[in-house]
Amino acid sequence: AQSVSQHNHHVILSEAASLELGCNYSYGGTVNLFWYVQYPGQHLQLLLKYFSGDPLVKGIKGFEAEFIKSKFSFNLRKPSVQWSDTAEYFCAVNARYGGSQGNLIFGKGTKLSVKP
Amino acid sequence: DVKVTQSSRYLVKRTGEKVFLECVQDMDHENMFWYRQDPGLGLRLIYFSYDVKMKEKGDIPEGYSVSREKKERFSLILESASTNQTSMYLCASSFPGRTSEGYNEQFFGPGTRLTVL
Repeated sequence: AQSVSQHNHHVILSEAASLELGCNYSYGGTVNLFWYVQYPGQHLQLLLKYFSGDPLVKGIKGFEAEFIKSKFSFNLRKPSVQWSDTAEYFCAVNARYGGSQGNLIFGKGTKLSVKP
Repeated sequence: DVKVTQSSRYLVKRTGEKVFLECVQDMDHENMFWYRQDPGLGLRLIYFSYDVKMKEKGDIPEGYSVSREKKERFSLILESASTNQTSMYLCASSFPGRTSEGYNEQFFGPGTRLTVL
């Protein structure tokens, strides 16, 4: 069965620090990869997604993620975080196989706290 | 803008009650999903539906059922609520199947925080 691992449960950074959140998935075939963000009290929203092509994907609010197929990874990065980036971040994979539509499989989430 | 709405933001019920959680989307999406979100466990899929009157079990369907009588509406039913069903329930919707860009992302509602006493 496919699975997604997010290695950090809670990350605490100061403003202007660089961010990298790890995400690894277990599936050998073609995958679509997503990062969602949930700001306090708000609904989950899409940060960025990878379907094919350039493995470096840019999303909203200065976030980017790099798909490294050989490492089964899709790490999220931001060069300089702001207090407003405080949120919970979820990595998700949608495995394409046969005729299946494939459901999203989510990691357990990483809470990011940015100190002003 | 895609809009997914859920009938209640907060709900308090008693053990043994029948509970209905409603979800409506306004983008004509074929796919709809129900998840529960618990601290440290992320999102877990309860049920999903790819079409009207169609339903499929997700990873944790026990204790839940669903109904999809209309394309825009997907209901989650707790037949007899128990305290271990206290959680945040999230509804999502998406367009179906493959596109040239792969599978479409899911759009989420604001969630219903259910407390079962």
